[in-house]
Amino acid sequence: DTAVSQTPKYLVTQMGNDKSIKCEQNLGHDTMYWYKQDSKKFLKIMFSYNNKELIINETVPNRFSPKSPDKAHLNLHINSLELGDSAVYFCASSQGLAAAYEQYFGPGTRLTVT
Amino acid sequence: AQSVTQLDSHVSVSEGTPVLLRCNYSSSYSPSLFWYVQHPNKGLQLLLKYTSAATLVKGINGFEAEFKKSETSFHLTKPSAHMSDAAEYFCVVSFSGSARQLTFGSGTQLTVLP
Repeated sequence: DTAVSQTPKYLVTQMGNDKSIKCEQNLGHDTMYWYKQDSKKFLKIMFSYNNKELIINETVPNRFSPKSPDKAHLNLHINSLELGDSAVYFCASSQGLAAAYEQYFGPGTRLTVT
Repeated sequence: AQSVTQLDSHVSVSEGTPVLLRCNYSSSYSPSLFWYVQHPNKGLQLLLKYTSAATLVKGINGFEAEFKKSETSFHLTKPSAHMSDAAEYFCVVSFSGSARQLTFGSGTQLTVLP
């Protein structure tokens, strides 16, 4: 069974469109995250979500909005897509917010904006 | 300022020879330190972590790392490389104890030659 799954795996879209990426974890974890990995493989945390508390990274544009219908799901919605949004987006989960907890990553969604 | 530096962007070793991937951090506080591995087109997987217990940490697949406070280093080693070790390796630091503020190194691409 896949612990953390994301859909779709690949997403190609045009500038200005709105798109969503879905994430589900079946580990019973309380905390979920979204990361962005750029073309140079640099990883940066975008959001963390813990028991209904959303922590927003100040450097993330407000075009990005995470939505959590329940503890097992954390979706990422992106409005008015821009070329610079092209990247691989990873979802992850952990037992809690403490850094000592291992994070389990999904396989990633490669977003290409043309 | 708090930062993490992976000293080599690429490391190439022959199968059966030792692996050394270097990581240094800069912090006024005692950090939590991690090594994650990313195989091609996959999400990240935790190799090992240091959270203020034993300074020599053993991880999966024969990897280990030693926390050296005097040198502000957390280098990753393995006595004998295997072809399956070829991947991208990330040194990750939490300076606050919270996963909200994880800082990723820029990554080291390990190539294993037959």
